[in-house]
Amino acid sequence: AQKITQTQPGMFVQEKEAVTLDCTYDTSDPSYGLFWYKQPSSGEMIFLIYQGSYDQQNATEGRYSLNFQKARKSANLVISASQLGDSAMYFCAMRVEYTGANSKLTFGKGITLSVRP
Amino acid sequence: DAGVIQSPRHEVTEMGQEVTLRCKPISGHDYLFWYRQTMMRGLELLIYFNNNVPIDDSGMPEDRFSAKMPNASFSTLKIQPSEPRDSAVYFCASSFEVLTSSHQETQYFGPGTRLLVL
Repeated sequence: AQKITQTQPGMFVQEKEAVTLDCTYDTSDPSYGLFWYKQPSSGEMIFLIYQGSYDQQNATEGRYSLNFQKARKSANLVISASQLGDSAMYFCAMRVEYTGANSKLTFGKGITLSVRP
Repeated sequence: DAGVIQSPRHEVTEMGQEVTLRCKPISGHDYLFWYRQTMMRGLELLIYFNNNVPIDDSGMPEDRFSAKMPNASFSTLKIQPSEPRDSAVYFCASSFEVLTSSHQETQYFGPGTRLLVL
């Protein structure tokens, strides 16, 4: 069975600095996708970035990048130049391929990030 | 384009009452997902549909929960009778068909329905 682990306690970062949010995953399937979502205090789930298991390069989307280390089964989110609006809960999620369920996402427990002015 | 639409945004009801949550997915999306989020259990997938057909309802907690998707633009999640432990935020999400799991077919979430059962 697939599993996502996010074990960091609440994270704090100074405004304008970079921060890394950790995510490790476990699957025996060679084909999978990894996602990061942001959930601000208002509650909505916002898609940030995606990494496919066969992608050769690390994904980037603006200030977000994904440090994908396949051998270590880690997919850490890096936020550069933190802004106050980045304060939120961040979820790592994975989708694996098996018959009839290759659209199903498994989420980690999330990490709370607080950006200090 | 409009995103996923959910209604109501907030619902307060008394134990034993029937609760119906509604969702309109993004037009053209083939998949629709219902999630529940609580502090204790995090984000849990309850059920999902492909082309209006339920594919996996293994996450539905018990018979009090039911979900329908009568057409491509509408789905309901019903709780009858409701209990205090059903209090949670319920999300609906939708996506295009996923060809392989390594394909980027992102799930887009609605704003959620915050349910409180007294």
